[in-house]
Amino acid sequence: ETGVTQTPRHLVMGMTNKKSLKCEQHLGHNAMYWYKQSAKKPLELMFVYSLEERVENNSVPSRFSPECPNSSHLFLHLHTLQPEDSALYLCASSQGLAGDQETQYFGPGTRLLVL
Amino acid sequence: AQSVTQPDIHITVSEGASLELRCNYSYGATPYLFWYVQSPGQGLQLLLKYFSGDTLVQGIKGFEAEFKRSQSSFNLRKPSVHWSDAAEYFCAVGAQAGTASKLTFGTGTRLQVTL
Repeated sequence: ETGVTQTPRHLVMGMTNKKSLKCEQHLGHNAMYWYKQSAKKPLELMFVYSLEERVENNSVPSRFSPECPNSSHLFLHLHTLQPEDSALYLCASSQGLAGDQETQYFGPGTRLLVL
Repeated sequence: AQSVTQPDIHITVSEGASLELRCNYSYGATPYLFWYVQSPGQGLQLLLKYFSGDTLVQGIKGFEAEFKRSQSSFNLRKPSVHWSDAAEYFCAVGAQAGTASKLTFGTGTRLQVTL
């Protein structure tokens, strides 16, 4: 499926690097999300954007900085990460109209390794 | 706050056998419940969802789930498992985030299928 794409698919970075993850949705949706999936832990919601406005920030450290320039694109800017930030980062989108009934559509994820 | 429990971390079934994956939720209002599947190296794909009405929900790939309010459960079933069903399965409950949603996931159940 190509409804939600993420680049890069794999990323290795040092703790002093700055990198960005990109997500693009081709579904005409108005809401976009970042999740973190670590081994042996539930998926954790990081950020929610609705109509390019951040509506949820789940106590995420400031070394993660999201950006939503338009309803089709979502970025996650990374800087001075820690090894425990190594995880699969998943982007999702939804229509952004129906609140808790929304079905979210996920991208394939970016596998991040912090050395 | 909402929560989801998937008691079984790992399940092994033989191909052709029936399957039931357990999910219990905690949510103050009418829950909106989802089952997603994740194949290795992939994002999450929606199998089915429950919003209201008929408590037996049909999904893709021959899966179904039954909502039982009295037991706070939303178990996933399949009458005959195929080897291609080997994957990780996540149950989730939806909550409102503005006009968008936020999903709370369980820790997942990894399904192994033996031939």
